[in-house]
Amino acid sequence: QQPVQSPQAVILREGEDAVINCSSSKALYSVHWYRQKHGEAPVFLMILLKGGEQKGHEKISASFNEKKQQSSLYLTASQLSYSGTYFCGSRNQGGKLIFGQGTELSVKP
Amino acid sequence: EAGVAQSPRYKIIEKRQSVAFWCNPISGHATLYWYQQILGQGPKLLIQFQNNGVVDDSQLPKDRFSAERLKGVDSTLKIQPAKLEDSAVYLCASSYHGEGTNEKLFFGSGTQLSVL
Repeated sequence: QQPVQSPQAVILREGEDAVINCSSSKALYSVHWYRQKHGEAPVFLMILLKGGEQKGHEKISASFNEKKQQSSLYLTASQLSYSGTYFCGSRNQGGKLIFGQGTELSVKP
Repeated sequence: EAGVAQSPRYKIIEKRQSVAFWCNPISGHATLYWYQQILGQGPKLLIQFQNNGVVDDSQLPKDRFSAERLKGVDSTLKIQPAKLEDSAVYLCASSYHGEGTNEKLFFGSGTQLSVL
């Protein structure tokens, strides 16, 4: 079951904050976040393994609410380099990593 | 450390032709994945290998797609015959252990396939 991401797209000015949500109708065993710049390969950001776990990467952090079967990615004081498409991936019980449809983030000067 | 290598970078073919993509994962990575990414969508897993064995190929259209990883290292994905809807970027990824674990994936740059 593919996780659902929202919003589909967001436009920010440099320095603004954004939140990207990822939810699943089935139990999430872990949530993975990747960023893909146009024409490039997806690059790993972070994995959240436990309910309630939060992790950070520079000014990008994420939380995982196991009960609600959702994760949120927080981008603080966005920089131009944050532009790209963000994908969440969920591991099911069988271990297969399934990606959401992506959220396109554009940071303008 | 060398990353995941893929070739070719771009391929344009006519429908009903055949095409093959090659992937060399990061040295020592046991698990290799092929994903199909259609424009505007997230990567969709086609097949997952653990060493030279198939772990999951439930989403692979087996009437036209085939993949192999004979020596547990590099891999080839083939489409024969290609259809218009196969136009996509084919991404190869690898991870150290893979199956059942929660490791990060390392992706190659992908092969962009256009079927005319």
